[in-house]
Amino acid sequence: DQQVKQNSPSLSVQEGRISILNCDYTNSMFDYFLWYKKYPAEGPTFLISISSIKDKNEDGRFTVFLNKSAKHLSLHIVPSQPGDSAVYFCAASRNSGYALNFGKGTSLLVTP
Amino acid sequence: DTAVSQTPKYLVTQMGNDKSIKCEQNLGHDTMYWYKQDSKKFLKIMFSYNNKELIINETVPNRFSPKSPDKAHLNLHINSLELGDSAVYFCASSQVNRGRGGYTFGSGTRLTVV
Repeated sequence: DQQVKQNSPSLSVQEGRISILNCDYTNSMFDYFLWYKKYPAEGPTFLISISSIKDKNEDGRFTVFLNKSAKHLSLHIVPSQPGDSAVYFCAASRNSGYALNFGKGTSLLVTP
Repeated sequence: DTAVSQTPKYLVTQMGNDKSIKCEQNLGHDTMYWYKQDSKKFLKIMFSYNNKELIINETVPNRFSPKSPDKAHLNLHINSLELGDSAVYFCASSQVNRGRGGYTFGSGTRLTVV
């Protein structure tokens, strides 16, 4: 039963433009959400997170938006750079001590 | 200095063999995990240990047995390997009681069963 869904397997964006990666979840008990970035032959690396008490969290070029009523979150990257090309995983958990549930990932390609 | 290290990075073995994957973290985290990424790219939790105690044991065949000799190590032993066990296995760690934060993942072990 997939509780975290990333329905776009891939996304291509021009350098300098905005990349928007989307994620939906089904479990209303989730209260903590994270985005991970993964390069080939490496493990996922933590990018940014958001607690359910917030609707936005910003860190440099990366912003995560959370819409709890829609059970939807998105990651915005502005401006996109070629080095951002990677697979982005959305993850969610219920609380501290529970395992992260991951989506299938979205492969982002930023073209020069 | 690698924070979460897994060995080996690649493992090719025949069906029916028994193999182990080792994981060590030097972050002082109290919780370690094994995740499996299958051919469909799903990252799925297998096991979690908190201070050497098993806290998560998802529906995984009995052929998979985790062992945590101390809180810095979590090894994965697999008996009677099957073709369907081919996947990338990721170890991760986190500090559960120090507030929220992301996991730190190892670079993965690509297991190929032939």
